[in-house]
Amino acid sequence: GQNIDQPTEMTATEGAIVQINCTYQTSGFNGLFWYQQHAGEAPTFLSYNVLDGLEEKGRFSSFLSRSKGYSYLLLKELQMKDSASYLCAVRRSRSGGSYIPTFGRGTSLIVHP
Amino acid sequence: NAGVTQTPKFRVLKTGQSMTLLCAQDMNHEYMYWYRQDPGMGLRLIHYSVGEGTTAKGEVPDGYNVSRLKKQNFLLGLESAAPSQTSVYFCASSSGDHQETQYFGPGTRLLVL
Repeated sequence: GQNIDQPTEMTATEGAIVQINCTYQTSGFNGLFWYQQHAGEAPTFLSYNVLDGLEEKGRFSSFLSRSKGYSYLLLKELQMKDSASYLCAVRRSRSGGSYIPTFGRGTSLIVHP
Repeated sequence: NAGVTQTPKFRVLKTGQSMTLLCAQDMNHEYMYWYRQDPGMGLRLIHYSVGEGTTAKGEVPDGYNVSRLKKQNFLLGLESAAPSQTSVYFCASSSGDHQETQYFGPGTRLLVL
């Protein structure tokens, strides 16, 4: 099995920077994803890390340390529309070569003026 | 492209009734998934399929059955609905490539009375 931990809720101010952490324990690690989910909507892909280091994509960056079982999503220049749930998903290899991701419980981010 | 679509969007069932949720994707994806999402529980995998004619159990398969007779469709069946199956159901698909991203449907809200 695998455990994925994220904070349940975070708050931040518009224009600020926020870091959402995700820790995991798994065998056969094969990649980590971050998704954004607005209330009442479907999750949408934000980032993917499989090697250690930082992946930057506009205002969003994601970091991975495989040895520590740790990732974070960094959101810069926060906007009100960034209020959403952020889901960390870990993929591991399974027998037969199928790669199935498992999701954490998500972090609800509230951005206030 | 419509991406991933789900039918119906909302349904109310009485305990013991049966129903089928339909997921369709037009991206020629090999992998398809059914998740349920409950408050505070994140996305939990019910069943998945790695190709036409194949299905496999996920984390919470009990009370559900699936079929993948055509590559583009993945059906989720509830033979005898229970109140514990009240949830939001998300279908997703992915290409099966190494850096696959999951694309989610808009969700089906199911209420079992």
